Amino acid sequence: TQLLEQSPQFLSIQEGENLTVYCNSSSVFSSLQWYRQEPGEGPVLLVTVVTGGEVKKLKRLTFQFGDARKDSSLHITAAQPGDTGLYLCAGYTGTASKLTFGTGTRLQVTL
Amino acid sequence: ETGVTQSPTHLIKTRGQQVTLRCSSQSGHNTVSWYQQALGQGPQFIFQYYREEENGRGNFPPRFSGLQFPNYSSELNVNALELDDSALYLCASRVGGQYGYTFGSGTRLTVV
Repeated sequence: TQLLEQSPQFLSIQEGENLTVYCNSSSVFSSLQWYRQEPGEGPVLLVTVVTGGEVKKLKRLTFQFGDARKDSSLHITAAQPGDTGLYLCAGYTGTASKLTFGTGTRLQVTL
Repeated sequence: ETGVTQSPTHLIKTRGQQVTLRCSSQSGHNTVSWYQQALGQGPQFIFQYYREEENGRGNFPPRFSGLQFPNYSSELNVNALELDDSALYLCASRVGGQYGYTFGSGTRLTVV
């Protein structure tokens, strides 16, 4: 069974602080996706990383895929209240046509 | 506009009943997946359809079944509902070969 563990589970920070969310697995994935989900809504895709060691930046968000394609991280610089939500990593296994989601990190950014 | 529409948004059923949830995907999205999300947890993969055939399945019993139709719509059927089936059910679609999925807002199912 493929498992994706995210840490921390909960994070409450003030506006302007930096944070990093980790996504770890013992399995290799062909790609790793990050989503953000708000209450009452479905997850919204933020980024997909495909190559081991790949780094992608989306404004204040930086995503990294581990060299072995088993882990990933999401770093947010100068967090804003609009960043509040549930952050989910998801690994895709092409052979099984399956997207496995992580346990989630709930982020709250206060003024 | 997310491009993926799910209906109904909320549903209450009694244990033992059957339920059908529906999803309408964007035109051209020939791959559709269904997920179950319990409160406070990440979505769990139920199954995936590609061009109307199931091509991936998670650890869910056979009473969870699905269909995908040529018009890019799909449905999830659950028979013999149990209390633990209470969850948010999410539909997601994509163009085959691309990575990212577009999710609907989900159907909140409560089994009493």
